[in-house]
Amino acid sequence: AQTVTQSQPEMSVQEAETVTLSCTYDTSESNYYLFWYKQPPSRQMILVIRQEAYKQQNATENRFSVNFQKAAKSFSLKISDSQLGDTAMYFCAFMKPLMYSGGGADGLTFGKGTHLIIQP
Amino acid sequence: DGGITQSPKYLFRKEGQNVTLSCEQNLNHDAMYWYRQDPGQGLRLIYYSQIVNDFQKGDIAEGYSVSREKKESFPLTVTSAQKNPTAFYLCASSWGGGTGELFFGEGSRLTVL
Repeated sequence: AQTVTQSQPEMSVQEAETVTLSCTYDTSESNYYLFWYKQPPSRQMILVIRQEAYKQQNATENRFSVNFQKAAKSFSLKISDSQLGDTAMYFCAFMKPLMYSGGGADGLTFGKGTHLIIQP
Repeated sequence: DGGITQSPKYLFRKEGQNVTLSCEQNLNHDAMYWYRQDPGQGLRLIYYSQIVNDFQKGDIAEGYSVSREKKESFPLTVTSAQKNPTAFYLCASSWGGGTGELFFGEGSRLTVL
């Protein structure tokens, strides 16, 4: 079974600063997908960024980028020029492609989340 | 607008009662999922369905049941056998094949009195 660990329960930074959220995972799979989801106070889950394990290039979406280290099983999220609207819970998630599931549980496996607070 | 609709947003239940949470999607997605969220626990998978008339248990299926009679609908029943049902429940959907992102509804908050 896959596990996802987020070691920072809460982080707080000043607006416009850069912040990095950590995520590590454990799997024996070689092909998989990794995601960062954001959950603002409205509790709507929003996809921030996605990474395919077979791609060596780190994914980037505007101010959001990841540092994907496959050998270390690490998948950190960097938020540049942080904004007040970035305040939210951030969840790291792992997905094993269905064709490799072998009948086991599927969907996303989530970490416990990091509560990010952007201070004005 | 395409999306996932969960209802009700808030639900109160007395102990011993079954309740059903609704989840409807108009994204034409093949796969649908139910997650439970508790404070400090992240999201945990209850049930998922990759196609109509087929579904599988997730990590915490005990005390829950589902059906998938239509592609658009995946209702979750919280039965009286669920020992600690008070939680926030999230429904999600995705394209089949397990390669894409999950799209989430706004969630349903169940409180057992």
